Amino acid sequence: DTAVSQTPKYLVTQMGNDKSIKCEQNLGHDTMYWYKQDSKKFLKIMFSYNNKELIINETVPNRFSPKSPDKAHLNLHINSLELGDSAVYFCASSQSVQGSGEQYFGPGTRLTVT
Amino acid sequence: SQQGEEDPQALSIQEGENATMNCSYKTSINNLQWYRQNSGRGLVHLILIRSNEREKHSGRLRVTLDTSKKSSSLLITASRAADTASYFCATSSGNTPLVFGKGTRLSVIA
Repeated sequence: DTAVSQTPKYLVTQMGNDKSIKCEQNLGHDTMYWYKQDSKKFLKIMFSYNNKELIINETVPNRFSPKSPDKAHLNLHINSLELGDSAVYFCASSQSVQGSGEQYFGPGTRLTVT
Repeated sequence: SQQGEEDPQALSIQEGENATMNCSYKTSINNLQWYRQNSGRGLVHLILIRSNEREKHSGRLRVTLDTSKKSSSLLITASRAADTASYFCATSSGNTPLVFGKGTRLSVIA
């Protein structure tokens, strides 16, 4: 059984469009995250949610809006996509609130904006 | 600012050899973690070492932590082709989120 799943795996879209990426975890964890990994493999935290509440929002443009309908799901909606948004987006979860414990990652969503 | 910095950026070894990767960081930490990322996949947690620990083992993995030098090393013994991946260190400090380094790309040649 997949612990952290993301859909879609690949997303190709044009500039200006709006798209969403979905994430689900079946580990019973309280905390979920979104990361962005750029072409140089640098992984940067974007958001962190604990029990549906936003606890971390790094300097991410407000075109990015996370939504957590319940603690097992954390979706990422992106408005007005730009070329620079092209990257791999990873969802992750952990039991600890402050992100200090082990994190479980999804397989990633490769977003290409043309 | 980025916390962990792995060294080297890339490493190529023969199967059966040992691989050593290093990670340096800048501020005090609660713990340091190592993750592996196979090409096109998500990160997989390998090992966590707390700030009051100096060494930890897990199978063929050995991690050391030197808080006085703010550095950690990951040793993979008797490497296999399947160990080919990128390896990232990540540091946990206070209430801040995990901060990942840029990773070391390990290639194990059969």
